[in-house]
Formats: sequence, structure tokens, C-alpha cells
Amino acid sequence: GAGVSQTPSNKVTEKGKYVELRCDPISGHTALYWYRQSLGQGPEFLIYFQGTGAADDSGLPNDRFFAVRPEGSVSTLKIQRTERGDSAVYLCASSQTRVTEAFFGQGTRLTVV
Amino acid sequence: QQQVKQSPQSLIVQKGGISIINCAYENTAFDYFPWYQQFPGKGPALLIAIRPDVSEKKEGRFTISFNKSAKQFSLHIMDSQPGDSATYFCAASVNAGKSTFGDGTTLTVKP
Repeated sequence: GAGVSQTPSNKVTEKGKYVELRCDPISGHTALYWYRQSLGQGPEFLIYFQGTGAADDSGLPNDRFFAVRPEGSVSTLKIQRTERGDSAVYLCASSQTRVTEAFFGQGTRLTVV
Repeated sequence: QQQVKQSPQSLIVQKGGISIINCAYENTAFDYFPWYQQFPGKGPALLIAIRPDVSEKKEGRFTISFNKSAKQFSLHIMDSQPGDSATYFCAASVNAGKSTFGDGTTLTVKP
């Protein structure tokens, strides 16, 4: 596709459930970022992949959050035992290399009820 | 600790006017300063970016002014149009890597 694609667009889940959020980056982009955006705030960095490896996961809030990128393309953000405070828009961005412009997807709006 | 502070939180300007949004940063290691535009339900889109070796960069109606000694930078939108109504975020990063964002400015341009 032409841009970064995130699925689903919206996800409503019950407190305590497990969720997976998917990101399809722009083809050929080696760098991939996950951000979380709460209402009225700017995106907050979660994790950065260079290829298949997580080069920087310093933004993950706790061990309930985990992300993978097994083949260096699609990435999945996994959240265990969801809490109401996890409700936010989760954004994915990709860039051709680490030092070039990052392009964002439209985000997945996660609501934990 | 908020490393990038953005103001104002909201801004209303008349069509044809100048919109000015300001940001201040703390980390002197930051060397890449982009501005993003975000419409409801969409992800942020890069508008314009600057590196600290220049004090100003202009692209069309959008200009970034950068003051390295004050650790401040600003976005100026000339001849503001209703279609510019959106939320604007400043950000800062080291070597264009992971970004630290401001909290955003909601701009409304009245026709």
C-alpha cells in the first residue's frame, strides 16, 4: 500500500482482556515506531524497531506491553490484562531509515471498558 | 518531566491572518525539530522540519524560526486558511529518531 496501515481502526475490549494491534509499514521501510496518544496530548513514544529487533523499548509503560516484528515488516503491539488507563490511540510510524522522515498511520483507537 | 513545552493550547485566527505556535525544549542533545499537522481521526503528518544549524526555514506559507540559545522554536502560518484548522504538534529528536512531542495546539481559522 501507499501508506502505513493500522488495523483495526477501533477496538473495544473488556478490562483484563488481551489485545493485539497490527501495523503494516510502508514497503521497504526498515525503521518502525509505536506511539500512544491520549486525548488532548501529543504522541508518546513506546518502542522502536530497526529491522526485526527492538532497538529501543524504553517507552513501554510496563511488562503488560510487548511488541514484535518477526520478519522486519509487519509489527504487532500486544497488550495483556488491559486496564482502563490503556485507552488511547495507538499510532505506528515507519521511515526508510532511522534518520529519515517518519510517516504515521491513522492509528488504532483502543477503548477498555 | 516534560521535555517539549508547547503553547498556546488553542488558537483562533481570522482567514488571512498569521498563526504563531511556540515550543521550548530542555534537552540540548535534540538536533531535529519537526512540526506535524493532525486532522481528527488521522495520524500526524510532517509539515516542515529544521535542524539547529539554521535559524529559519520556509516552505510555502509555513515558516519555522529557531533560537538555539533560548532553546525555543516556533511555527508561523502565513495567510491562514480554514483548511489549516487542525491540531499542530511540535516535536524534537536526536538524529531524527524517536520523537518527543509537545501537547499540541488546536488551530481554528475563521472564514
